[in-house]
Amino acid sequence: KNQVEQSPQSLIILEGKNCTLQCNYTVSPFSNLRWYKQDTGRGPVSLTIMTFSENTKSNGRYTATLDADTKQSSLHITASQLSDSASYICVVTDTTSGTYKYIFGTGTRLKVLA
Amino acid sequence: DAGITQSPRYKITETGRQVTLMCHQTWSHSYMFWYRQDLGHGLRLIYYSAAADITDKGEVPDGYVVSRSKTENFPLTLESATRSQTSVYFCASSEGQPLRYEQYFGPGTRLTVT
Repeated sequence: KNQVEQSPQSLIILEGKNCTLQCNYTVSPFSNLRWYKQDTGRGPVSLTIMTFSENTKSNGRYTATLDADTKQSSLHITASQLSDSASYICVVTDTTSGTYKYIFGTGTRLKVLA
Repeated sequence: DAGITQSPRYKITETGRQVTLMCHQTWSHSYMFWYRQDLGHGLRLIYYSAAADITDKGEVPDGYVVSRSKTENFPLTLESATRSQTSVYFCASSEGQPLRYEQYFGPGTRLTVT
């Protein structure tokens, strides 16, 4: 079972609408949680990074929240634009072994339609 | 400023052939990484390097070889390619220990093994 589960797998919304992507993880202990945006045919680009003590982090129209008690994170996109069409990947840093290990989710594929 | 580049961007090879994927970064980042991305899986770490001449295995190292004679280059070699190594390969770099520093990804190499 993947230690980082994302939902939905895919999502289609109209331009200008808001949406929320979910990330549930079982990694414990963890150091931080990142959200990446990956455009088709490109490498992932970091959107936000939160430590276990942070509840929310914003980057423009992107707002990430974290509930370390329930092991859930969400990425909220406000006033979506066509350029938001991409895959969004949740990444949790596992520090169990004393060294870092990135655990990647499989991503949510977002399509924004005009 | 080119950042981090990968070559080739696309490669088709036959089973049993040796193939090398190149990664070059212009930031003088100490850490470099190789990941593979497959449908249904999150990115998985193959190998990483903390500095020139220092490399270590990641989650899925079997069948791959790396070297890092220069800080800016981190080639990945498939010694005898297999169909299961068909994937998209991403190189990444970070200024320091990944727990604290951001990883920057290259554009990827799509490798097909026939």
